[in-house]
Amino acid sequence: DTGVSQDPRHKITKRGQNVTFRCDPISEHNRLYWYRQTLGQGPEFLTYFQNEAQLEKSRLLSDRFSAERPKGSFSTLEIQRTEQGDSAMYLCASSPRGGPQHFGDGTRLSIL
Amino acid sequence: AQSVTQLDSQVPVFEEAPVELRCNYSSSVSVYLFWYVQYPNQGLQLLLKYLSGSTLVKGINGFEAEFNKSQTSFHLRKPSVHISDTAEYFCAVSDRGGSEKLVFGKGTKLTVNP
Repeated sequence: DTGVSQDPRHKITKRGQNVTFRCDPISEHNRLYWYRQTLGQGPEFLTYFQNEAQLEKSRLLSDRFSAERPKGSFSTLEIQRTEQGDSAMYLCASSPRGGPQHFGDGTRLSIL
Repeated sequence: AQSVTQLDSQVPVFEEAPVELRCNYSSSVSVYLFWYVQYPNQGLQLLLKYLSGSTLVKGINGFEAEFNKSQTSFHLRKPSVHISDTAEYFCAVSDRGGSEKLVFGKGTKLTVNP
């Protein structure tokens, strides 16, 4: 069990650029979640996959955000035309069905 | 829909003192309950979980929590804290049988002073 891995750990970009984050879940976990955490707040749910199917998306996930999980393994989260308000920590978690979620260390996004 | 209220944003305590971090939740369906800890610039680590059964659950690092259905509470306790317990603590709920997405409180910053 190598844990949930996220890449990169930090991303600094200019407003208007596109960014993509990657999450590698624990290999036997079929569920994968993305959350966003802003300073001083708890994480907020963005989206959820069961295997390769994206089954739920939060209203927080505007049309500039897209997430994929091809082949039910790793997942990517892309943000197009980044805005100042996108600055946050993006957390990925994975779990087996009915089991607790295990989190990665997150990707911290800073928009200049 | 679920919601979580962590009643204290900051809790300062002295080393070896007991501590209680309070959590209340609201939900129209049966839930699972969790406490996570977050150290600076890291992800969240699961401390303990309540799924069913005994209402007193024990977790890692000497923490325990008690589920109280009538008061819709899930308070976290430790009888004697260490400097290394200084961190942010999050209470969370998830629905049973659905997406099981987590709904978090805003967190409680625990600071343990020597």
